Amino acid sequence: SAVISQKPSRDICQRGTSLTIQCQVDSQVTMMFWYRQQPGQSLTLIATANQGSEATYESGFVIDKFPISRPNLTFSTLTVSNMSPEDSSIYLCSLTPSSEAFFGQGTRLTVV
Amino acid sequence: GESVGLHLPTLSVQEGDNSIINCAYSNSASDYFIWYKQESGKGPQFIIDIRSNMDKRQGQRVTVLLNKTVKHLSLQIAATQPGDSAVYFCAENRGGFTGGGNKLTFGTGTQLKVEL
Repeated sequence: SAVISQKPSRDICQRGTSLTIQCQVDSQVTMMFWYRQQPGQSLTLIATANQGSEATYESGFVIDKFPISRPNLTFSTLTVSNMSPEDSSIYLCSLTPSSEAFFGQGTRLTVV
Repeated sequence: GESVGLHLPTLSVQEGDNSIINCAYSNSASDYFIWYKQESGKGPQFIIDIRSNMDKRQGQRVTVLLNKTVKHLSLQIAATQPGDSAVYFCAENRGGFTGGGNKLTFGTGTQLKVEL
């Protein structure tokens, strides 16, 4: 199994500001994934973060809004930029070192 | 302001009864399926998985059934306990497992409530 540390666990932010979420893993993995879970809804993939290359974004998500860094094989960050109340969600990082996918505990973001 | 969002389907069962949670998927090319449990304030936790070359897989108190003909997946929990109360999601891997990562598509989710 993999241990994923994600922080902050929650935050309340003013609209127009940006928040960077960090994800630290206890083992080296090639791909890390960032998901969004809006209130009462399922998980939606934002992007795939590969070490040494630009992240690959899913339809509806763009780099300017959700820039991602992947400086090494154990760490990634997701920034939620120029936040609005619609960005209030849980953001989760994930990795799949084997067939099983592991998730961080999530960052609960509230934008006011 | 009031938050507007989808309300998850809810399944209420008595403690000790069996629970069956259903999921429909749309992509016939999906070859790998996973059930996750998500408790309040936590990330999804792996329960059990199944590959498309199987139609049934059993774990400890849980069984996953896959019907590829109708693109249907179910999770059966035997002797449901209060600790099973959570939201359950099915997820499918549409593209095959590529070295280093599964890109998953999640279903809507079902809220399981266990009544004492």
